[in-house]
Amino acid sequence: QKEVEQDPGPLSVPEGAIVSLNCTYSNSAFQYFMWYRQYSRKGPELLMYTYSSGNKEDGRFTAQVDKSSKYISLFIRDSQPSDSATYLCAMRNNDMRFGAGTRLTVKP
Amino acid sequence: GAVVSQHPSWVICKSGTSVKIECRSLDFQATTMFWYRQFPKQSLMLMATSNEGSKATYEQGVEKDKFLINHASLTLSTLTVTSAHPEDSSFYICSADSLAGTGELFFGEGSRLTVL
Repeated sequence: QKEVEQDPGPLSVPEGAIVSLNCTYSNSAFQYFMWYRQYSRKGPELLMYTYSSGNKEDGRFTAQVDKSSKYISLFIRDSQPSDSATYLCAMRNNDMRFGAGTRLTVKP
Repeated sequence: GAVVSQHPSWVICKSGTSVKIECRSLDFQATTMFWYRQFPKQSLMLMATSNEGSKATYEQGVEKDKFLINHASLTLSTLTVTSAHPEDSSFYICSADSLAGTGELFFGEGSRLTVL
């Protein structure tokens, strides 16, 4: 079993849809949880950062962490074609672990 | 967010030559920098972890004599691909860990290496 599981997709939604991206993990020691967005041929860009459990909202993005279920989510409201990218979940304590990344396409 | 700069962003070299890629943290000091490799449509693969002033720690299967990492200061780490071959062609990305210890990791823009 991988430490971090993320459905690679691809995921295709119409513009304006709500997007839900998820990761599960097995290591209960993870304390920091991050979501990165990566456009093709670019480095990952930090979108959301959460310490421990809870929700965090930033504009159209909401990150949720449920440590009891070892499950994290990223919601994108009113999705735009410019949101089309690969979204990577990441988590760490001393070591950093990444999900495989979910490829998202938002169609106009 | 903090800025990590990578240079060059794109490099083509002949087989057998060596290529150096720089990773700089521009507005913060980085205790630790990480080097990744990424193949098309795949996730990041951690190659090594470097701490300022000490030897890098390489992941299993990564040849340390081929991928030389130097972390000479709190703002600069370099990756040198020695005697490059076409199979080394890939997207190399660095990331940096802030001294502040917040847990956030910031990535460079990546360097695309093509070995002819």
